[in-house]
Amino acid sequence: RKEVEQDPGPFNVPEGATVAFNCTYSNSASQSFFWYRQDCRKEPKLLMSVYSSGNEDGRFTAQLNRASQYISLLIRDSKLSDSATYLCVVKGSNYKLTFGKGTLLTVNP
Amino acid sequence: EPEVTQTPSHQVTQMGQEVILRCVPISNHLYFYWYRQILGQKVEFLVSFYNNEISEKSEIFDDQFSVERPDGSNFTLKIRSTKLEDSAMYFCASRREEGMNTEAFFGQGTRLTVV
Repeated sequence: RKEVEQDPGPFNVPEGATVAFNCTYSNSASQSFFWYRQDCRKEPKLLMSVYSSGNEDGRFTAQLNRASQYISLLIRDSKLSDSATYLCVVKGSNYKLTFGKGTLLTVNP
Repeated sequence: EPEVTQTPSHQVTQMGQEVILRCVPISNHLYFYWYRQILGQKVEFLVSFYNNEISEKSEIFDDQFSVERPDGSNFTLKIRSTKLEDSAMYFCASRREEGMNTEAFFGQGTRLTVV
């Protein structure tokens, strides 16, 4: 099983759509969870941390299910500027971040 | 806003040559990382560095790779004898502290092309 596995995508959605990304991780000792976004040929940038209680930041909602080792990201009312690759990232008990391969989202006008 | 800066933005080198990729982490950060991303693939961890020593390294980080923090501000990645498969985007990152959800900030990357 891959350390961090994401929906392969790509996702093509119209503006205003709701889109959900799923991610699973294999290491049950993982401590912290994040969603990053990466624009083409740019560095990853933190979108939001993911907490067990779930958290929301405007149009973005992240959920964590530790028992299932599952993380999700929901984007509501998607904008053209949301087009990017969304990276599920897991931090373990050591110092490293483990990235999923990412899911490409294209929001169309 | 403080940022991680990397130089050069693009480096072209001949196979077998040594390269040094440079990074200036955010000034009050304590944890430093190098990651790489081969075109079309995922971001991969190379090495983490804390308190002037390597904390962890991946299988990719073999004897051809080394890191150094020579002067308290720069953080460098050296590849001694580059191979074609070292061609990738190399990202430096830094983190302020080892809290549960402290953010790692990434530099804009150095695109290394080995010919």
